[in-house]
Amino acid sequence: QSALTQPPSASGSPGQSVTISCTGTSSDVGGFNYVSWYQQHPGKAPKLMIYEVSKRPSGVPDRFSGSKSGNTASLTVSGLQAEDEADYYCSSYAGRNNFKVFGGGTRLTVL
Amino acid sequence: EVQLVQSGAEVKKPGESLKISCKGSGYSFTTYWIAWVRQMPGKGLECMGIIYPGDSEIRYGPSFQGQVTISADKSISTAYLRWSSLKASDTAMYYCARHTDDYGAPFDYWGQGTLVTVSS
Repeated sequence: QSALTQPPSASGSPGQSVTISCTGTSSDVGGFNYVSWYQQHPGKAPKLMIYEVSKRPSGVPDRFSGSKSGNTASLTVSGLQAEDEADYYCSSYAGRNNFKVFGGGTRLTVL
Repeated sequence: EVQLVQSGAEVKKPGESLKISCKGSGYSFTTYWIAWVRQMPGKGLECMGIIYPGDSEIRYGPSFQGQVTISADKSISTAYLRWSSLKASDTAMYYCARHTDDYGAPFDYWGQGTLVTVSS
């Protein structure tokens, strides 16, 4: 069982917006502004999409945005495109002993 | 260009030992942490542990302490993940990933992954 809870699936039609949640505790998501989101296409390595809750690395489209409220972080993908279909994982810093914890992943389907 | 290049796929029997590698290039290998991340078949990501090649400081995730050994050789910019006695449950894809600190920094670059299959 993963430390952070994500819905197993999400979907939307091209052009629509979809939001994926990531729920943790005050020891991880709620305790630090160090939530990251990773995109993983089948057979590929994960790719960093969002870090520090809402920052985008260079090259990531601004259709991807992140936020956090309490112990729950969210990733929103606006203007869905076919290439956004992938698995998305959230991650949070969880203190010196646990370091980084991940969610179980959400499979995003573009209908 | 930052790259992390991992060693190739392995097929091993239970009880055998194994060491896989992750070679960094395009950046200062000794000033970034390297993490090892496990992905079991059809499952999510798990951080196994991290190493700072500059001084070989190592931290293991609670579930992985005593199960694997992480090391690095900074002279050849390579990090390693070693098992002394593999189990079938070690079958997984293993990724290395770079991060700038042992606090909240994200994993900004990833290796291509090494598939380890353990089967009798």
